[in-house]
Amino acid sequence: GQNIDQPTEMTATEGAIVQINCTYQTSGFNGLFWYQQHAGEAPTFLSYNVLDGLEEKGRFSSFLSRSKGYSYLLLKELQMKDSASYLCAVRVINDYKLSFGAGTTVTVRA
Amino acid sequence: KAGVTQTPRYLIKTRGQQVTLSCSPISGHRSVSWYQQTPGQGLQFLFEYFSETQRNKGNFPGRFSGRQFSNSRSEMNVSTLELGDSALYLCASSSVVEQGQYEQYFGPGTRLTVT
Repeated sequence: GQNIDQPTEMTATEGAIVQINCTYQTSGFNGLFWYQQHAGEAPTFLSYNVLDGLEEKGRFSSFLSRSKGYSYLLLKELQMKDSASYLCAVRVINDYKLSFGAGTTVTVRA
Repeated sequence: KAGVTQTPRYLIKTRGQQVTLSCSPISGHRSVSWYQQTPGQGLQFLFEYFSETQRNKGNFPGRFSGRQFSNSRSEMNVSTLELGDSALYLCASSSVVEQGQYEQYFGPGTRLTVT
């Protein structure tokens, strides 16, 4: 299986920046997803990285280093609505599933 | 285009009963995956279907089964329900968008409560 680690909880202030790290150990790596999940709701797709580097989408950016088995999700200009769980998930070649980390609960304080 | 739809959204069943959940993927997506989410275990993969064929199955007992129809719609069935089957069941629709690019979107989920 895949070992996927991410911090359990993070707290930040409105307007600040938070970086959520995700490390993974897998063979046949074929992409990494980030999802946002608000309490009681389904996960919402944020980003997909398959090549090394940084991808920016508005206030959210995602970075991948395949050689280090490492990714991070960067949330800028935090808003109260960003309080949610953020899930890191890894895709493996010919496995047809995503393996999820336990999720990082981000709390944004006023 | 429309997103992933799941029915029903909420369900209450009694131990020993069976249940069928339905999922309609995004138009053009031929792969459908099912996941179970519980507070203790997080998101756990159940199975994945592509063109009516199961390509992968997670570590769940045989009480959990699924199928996919020719229009890509999928159903999952849980027989002889146990209290521990109470969870949010999520369906995900996926497709290879272009070379190396892949997208997977979740439906709203079915919240199953077993009493």
